[in-house]
Amino acid sequence: EAGVTQSPTHLIKTRGQQATLRCSPISGHTSVYWYQQALGLGLQFLLWYDEGEERNRGNFPPRFSGRQFPNYSSELNVNALELEDSALYLCASSLRGNTEAFFGQGTRLTVV
Amino acid sequence: AQSVTQLDSQVPVFEEAPVELRCNYSSSVSVYLFWYVQYPNQGLQLLLKYLSGSTLVKGINGFEAEFNKSQTSFHLRKPSVHISDTAEYFCAVSDQPGGSYIPTFGRGTSLIVHP
Repeated sequence: EAGVTQSPTHLIKTRGQQATLRCSPISGHTSVYWYQQALGLGLQFLLWYDEGEERNRGNFPPRFSGRQFPNYSSELNVNALELEDSALYLCASSLRGNTEAFFGQGTRLTVV
Repeated sequence: AQSVTQLDSQVPVFEEAPVELRCNYSSSVSVYLFWYVQYPNQGLQLLLKYLSGSTLVKGINGFEAEFNKSQTSFHLRKPSVHISDTAEYFCAVSDQPGGSYIPTFGRGTSLIVHP
């Protein structure tokens, strides 16, 4: 069974540009979580999608947004990129209400 | 709101020595507790989890953790570490059903195993 897959693996963007990151959850999982892992800050919760709806978002500005598609895959968009957006972005999926989230390998976003 | 505190940012230890990585949490509701491991340039892998029942939980790679409700702690232990255990370890908490379902993570503890 395929795990959580994220694309691209690496992404280099210029300040002010937009970045789009993609996540495919494990088959059957309806919940997708996005986290930002910046150096020394651990994992900061960004967004939670379930059944196509945004259920919760963390303490991030509105230029961080996303969506979940009917097949439960998800997209994270970051607009007006800033240097401090450089981080590893991790996607995780789970069955709603389940006790474990499964993580992808992450997308390394570098803003120059 | 829930939060997780990992008391040590870095733990150096010699190979074959025992190790303990400390984790404390706070929550207004009952929780599930997790430890994840992250190897360089990889995602997170679940080591073990506490849902209910026995407070001593055994996980993969010889790790175990003990849930202490009165001290709101969930410390991770291994009796004898290997070089390959060098990695970042994250403690996480999630509300039990009825809560927010969003796993909250600590800042991580870097375990460095020296030969």
